Amino acid sequence: EDQVTQSPEALRLQEGESSSLNCSYTVSGLRGLFWYRQDPGKGPEFLFTLYSAGEEKEKERLKATLTKKESFLHITAPKPEDSATYLCAVQDERRSQGNLIFGKGTKLSVKP
Amino acid sequence: DTGVSQNPRHKITKRGQNVTFRCDPISEHNRLYWYRQTLGQGPEFLTYFQNEAQLEKSRLLSDRFSAERPKGSFSTLEIQRTEQGDSAMYLCASSPGTGGFAFFGQGTRLTVV
Repeated sequence: EDQVTQSPEALRLQEGESSSLNCSYTVSGLRGLFWYRQDPGKGPEFLFTLYSAGEEKEKERLKATLTKKESFLHITAPKPEDSATYLCAVQDERRSQGNLIFGKGTKLSVKP
Repeated sequence: DTGVSQNPRHKITKRGQNVTFRCDPISEHNRLYWYRQTLGQGPEFLTYFQNEAQLEKSRLLSDRFSAERPKGSFSTLEIQRTEQGDSAMYLCASSPGTGGFAFFGQGTRLTVV
């Protein structure tokens, strides 16, 4: 059965304190792995897509990496505005392209 | 605003009533998806349209749920005889024919009392 597990469930950081969020997954065949940011009461905002092991993507203070079993979202020198829930989702090649399997997310709080 | 638009943003209804939500995707996006998200959980896939054709439905989409996308433009999601367990955020997303990522709308928060 396809599964996505994110850890930790919640993470509190001081401004400038770098850290990483983890997304481990189990799928028959990975078509793509996605990272989203979600603010309270809003829809997920697309951040990155990763397709193959070894791939990396960067955007401002965020960097996403992918291995065959997991992905990491590295946050460098975070700011309070980075506070949000970060969702990881995978696309199994057996499913339609829109059928993403999401993890429960990591709630990140960055204190000034 | 050129993003995915969902209406209404909030809906409170009594148990047993029918409700309908609307989603306007990003123009020229031929793929449209509906997801449901409950508190503390990630979104769960409900259904997928390519143009006007509904190509996939999740087991979560019981007989009380129906979705349409006439003419391949906007989409509606109807829930009949609502139950308290239907209370959730209903998210719509769209994507172009190429590429696997999806742009989500702000969602419709449904509360069944």
